[in-house]
Amino acid sequence: AQKVTQAQTEISVVEKEDVTLDCVYETRDTTYYLFWYKQPPSGELVFLIRRNSFDEQNEISGRYSWNFQKSTSSFNFTITASQVVDSAVYFCALSGMNYGGATNKLIFGTGTLLAVQP
Amino acid sequence: ETGVTQSPTHLIKTRGQQVTLRCSSQSGHNTVSWYQQALGQGPQFIFQYYREEENGRGNFPPRFSGLQFPNYSSELNVNALELDDSALYLCASSLGGTRAYNEQFFGPGTRLTVL
Repeated sequence: AQKVTQAQTEISVVEKEDVTLDCVYETRDTTYYLFWYKQPPSGELVFLIRRNSFDEQNEISGRYSWNFQKSTSSFNFTITASQVVDSAVYFCALSGMNYGGATNKLIFGTGTLLAVQP
Repeated sequence: ETGVTQSPTHLIKTRGQQVTLRCSSQSGHNTVSWYQQALGQGPQFIFQYYREEENGRGNFPPRFSGLQFPNYSSELNVNALELDDSALYLCASSLGGTRAYNEQFFGPGTRLTVL
């Protein structure tokens, strides 16, 4: 079965602090993809990043960085020097080949509400 | 480039009624997926359409049905509405079929309230 767990329900930080959002996943697929999406109060999910199961190289893009570790099935997301505009719900998601057919359906975690205080 | 659009924005229905939600995919995208997001939860996959055929379905009863049109726009129909159907319904489009790595672009959603 495929499952994504985001144990942190809510995080509150003060502007300019660094914050890490945790994500743990389960899958039997050997090829799979991991995503992070941001959902501001407007409701629209905004794509942030995608990693595939063969690429454990971690990256930094501006204030965002990602730590993918297959050994612990974790895909954590860090915002450096947080800003008030980063306040949103962040979702980790998983997609992969499904038994019985291929589809790029996303399996989402329950989300982490990040509140950045000025 | 026009993004994913959904209509209506908000909708209020009563138990037992039927509802149709609409989605226009991003230009050139031939795959549309629908998700249900209950309050405080992550989106749950309902089903996906690729070139007008249903391709994959989540754990939702048959009263949830859909269509995709030749221009790749899509409809989600829900019959015999129940209180638990109250949620944000999100449409997502993607390019190039149903490969797992395809990035999905989401619309703003339709907020459905069932009384």
